[in-house]
Amino acid sequence: SQQGEEDPQALSIQEGENATMNCSYKTSINNLQWYRQNSGRGLVHLILIRSNEREKHSGRLRVTLDTSKKSSSLLITASRAADTASYFCATEPSGGYNKLIFGAGTRLAVHP
Amino acid sequence: AAGVIQSPRHLIKEKRETATLKCYPIPRHDTVYWYQQGPGQDPQFLISFYEKMQSDKGSIPDRFSAQQFSDYHSELNMSSLELGDSALYFCASSLGRLAGEELFFGEGSRLTVL
Repeated sequence: SQQGEEDPQALSIQEGENATMNCSYKTSINNLQWYRQNSGRGLVHLILIRSNEREKHSGRLRVTLDTSKKSSSLLITASRAADTASYFCATEPSGGYNKLIFGAGTRLAVHP
Repeated sequence: AAGVIQSPRHLIKEKRETATLKCYPIPRHDTVYWYQQGPGQDPQFLISFYEKMQSDKGSIPDRFSAQQFSDYHSELNMSSLELGDSALYFCASSLGRLAGEELFFGEGSRLTVL
């Protein structure tokens, strides 16, 4: 990966359970974004957290950012089968306004 | 709402051939990005353009070139194709050269090199 690692690489849960995905990155950043990708499709933006923010919520999504540890987590609460997808974190490096670097991604499978 | 349009969606080429991928950003978006995604891999940043000028460069091979035209569409030209170039190529666009802009992705062009 150009950026860092995601943990876990794959996650399998039942509907209604919560899913937590972690992301680590290497450089200082302006912001960190999470994207979702259904198999073979384009990436869809989920949420953005700026480097001066520690936590952000959007619907069933909760993102945290720890710049001292260069890490972030994405929590999906009350998961649904339709949440099955790959989830990527992406960082905008400090000073790099037109460059978004993706991590390795977590494949989430939510079983009915 | 209008989305990012990529063409062709699928492309099959032989080794050493040339391929051109096209990207039409969302109207009024002035920044275009190109990414390459191999099977089971994360998207790798290739290059970006802002207002028709190259803005940032990633791991784009010297065999590849790209440009953004006056109507803001962009083309990625790939020459001397290799088997390892087989991948999904994504274009994304965003509005403005500001930190914190989300990217809007197209559905990708799948290139297969035989």
